[in-house]
Order: sequence, then structure tokens, then C-alpha cells
Amino acid sequence: DAGVTQTPRHEVAEKGQTIILKCEPVSGHNDLFWYRQTKIQGLELLSYFRSKSLMEDGGAFKDRFKAEMLNSSFSTLKIQPTEPKDSAVYLCASSDRGAERLFFGHGTKLSVL
Amino acid sequence: GDSVTQKQGQVTLSEDDFLFINCTYSTTTYPTLLWYVQYPGQGPQLLLKVTTANNKGISRGFEATYDKGTTSFHLQKASVQESDSAVYFCALVADTNAYKVIFGKGTHLHVLP
Repeated sequence: DAGVTQTPRHEVAEKGQTIILKCEPVSGHNDLFWYRQTKIQGLELLSYFRSKSLMEDGGAFKDRFKAEMLNSSFSTLKIQPTEPKDSAVYLCASSDRGAERLFFGHGTKLSVL
Repeated sequence: GDSVTQKQGQVTLSEDDFLFINCTYSTTTYPTLLWYVQYPGQGPQLLLKVTTANNKGISRGFEATYDKGTTSFHLQKASVQESDSAVYFCALVADTNAYKVIFGKGTHLHVLP
């Protein structure tokens, strides 16, 4: 039973680098979400796709964050350029029922030096 | 706007103690109220859902109830085990924005053996 798969599990980047995080949702799920998790801010929504269409682009995160859904089974989150304040856990989630039941991946822990 | 407040940042209990975590919410809609649990190194997973129709949810020994009068919802468990140590998030889905989950900041439960 394949859940949401995120790669890599850990990423270390230098300030100014471009990094790409990957996510494979649960097969058959039409909704895909990207979240950022930090101790201070908690869980913040970055992007939301419904049936591969971008429905929410995260407002304050638009500047350097770009999520794409290349097909129904693969999504990427690009951060360009990275800054130390981007250090966080990035979580991908999918659903077949909108926001009422999200299936999260294990997350990618990003450290920006 | 919609909001959720979860004030208990950390709770430490001994095995077989009673658990009670409280959240308050604010919304002008008819919300769905959720509890997620996050174990170390994993993404959050849905524990319970409570709607304004059913007032109560039960799963894995946990019970969630909601009080419309005080706009609060609680998570409780009669007898916690060491394996329940995790972070518990309350969350709200407002029906007008059915893809958006408003998460609380989380309560870190530490159960001593």
C-alpha cells in the first residue's frame, strides 16, 4: 500500500542555491498539497493542486517558491534562491476528499547554510 | 478570518494517566474539526474528525468532542500509553474553503513509562 513518497528525506543547501523537492502522491488522489512546517509558524500551506491544476499558490511564498505538477503522479517544489530562513520540513500531502483527510509523506528536512 | 488556537505546547503524563487537550476556534461557517497526530520522523496523520452534525468522534481509544457554545473542541483519552507520545494538532476546515486546513500549533505529548 503505497502512501505519499517524498525525496530526498534530507537536503542541505548553501544560501543562494536552487533546490527541488519531489513528491509522489497516493495513486488515484486528485488533490495535492505542499506545506512547510517549522516550530515557530507550525504548518503553512504553500501550494494546492486539484486534478493537476494549481488552485492556491501560497501568497507570501510566491516569490521564490514554485510548485509544479507534471502529471497526476508526480509533483515538485522548487525553491530559488534558497535562504537560511527556508530551513524547515517540507511536507507533501494528497487526498481524494479535499482537505478533510490528508495523507502526508514523511517530509523533506531542508537545512540552508 | 478563520483561526484555531491550541495553547498547550507540551504535556507530560505517566502511563495510564488521563489526557485532555483543548482547542478553540473561530469561524463564520459550519466547520469540520480535525485532530492529526504526528509521530517522530513522520508526517501528520488523521486521527479523528468531528462535524457539527455528529459532535463526537472516536478512534484508537481517543475521543474528540466539540462544543459549539464555547467554540472549542477537545481530544481526550482515558489511559495513555508510552506509544501515544507524539505531537497532536487540532485543525479546522471551513466549508467555504474546503481545501484549506487551518492547523493549531500542536501539543507535544510525552508519556513517561
